[in-house]
Amino acid sequence: SQTIHQWPATLVQPVGSPLSLECTVEGTSNPNLYWYRQAAGRGLQLLFYSVGIGQISSEVPQNLSASRPQDRQFILSSKKLLLSDSGFYLCAWSSQGGQPQHFGDGTRLSIL
Amino acid sequence: KQEVTQIPAALSVPEGENLVLNCSFTDSAIYNLQWFRQDPGKGLTSLLLIQSSQREQTSGRLNASLDKSSGRSTLYIAASQPGDSATYLCAVGSGGGADGLTFGKGTHLIIQP
Repeated sequence: SQTIHQWPATLVQPVGSPLSLECTVEGTSNPNLYWYRQAAGRGLQLLFYSVGIGQISSEVPQNLSASRPQDRQFILSSKKLLLSDSGFYLCAWSSQGGQPQHFGDGTRLSIL
Repeated sequence: KQEVTQIPAALSVPEGENLVLNCSFTDSAIYNLQWFRQDPGKGLTSLLLIQSSQREQTSGRLNASLDKSSGRSTLYIAASQPGDSATYLCAVGSGGGADGLTFGKGTHLIIQP
């Protein structure tokens, strides 16, 4: 069966520090991968999606970037965090063709 | 730009009641619609997926319907239980299916024992 892993589960970072969140999927190949953010009082917002290695689509202009160095690995990064980057970050995968998206357990990021 | 609205924002009912959660979307050109459950501080659990060509899907006590032309979906929960307490999210997939989902803000459901 397929599983998705995100780490860390929680993270507290100072303003201006770098960020790297990692997501990996097991039990499938060539998945579509997604990063979402859930900010306080707001709905889930799509940040990035990827249909293959090195292929990244960005949905909103922001202080973040994403990379897909391997087929089942998706990384969310920032060079300098802002207070507004606080939130709950969720990684998701789906098989090709728009099948159900399956989510990881998320990373709660607090910026001080 | 697709917008998804969920009504009500919060709902509290006694155990055993049947209930309906509503979801509406502004652009009817969708690929699919997915209902999720989110427990506090947790990730999302997929409940039901309805493809754009389908009218409804059922799983146990859950039934989701889709009326694409009117931009509406409902999630019906039969014989509610305290364990059903959670936030329920509606999300719409557009484009060719590989694009991400557009989410509503959710309905926070409390089932009173």
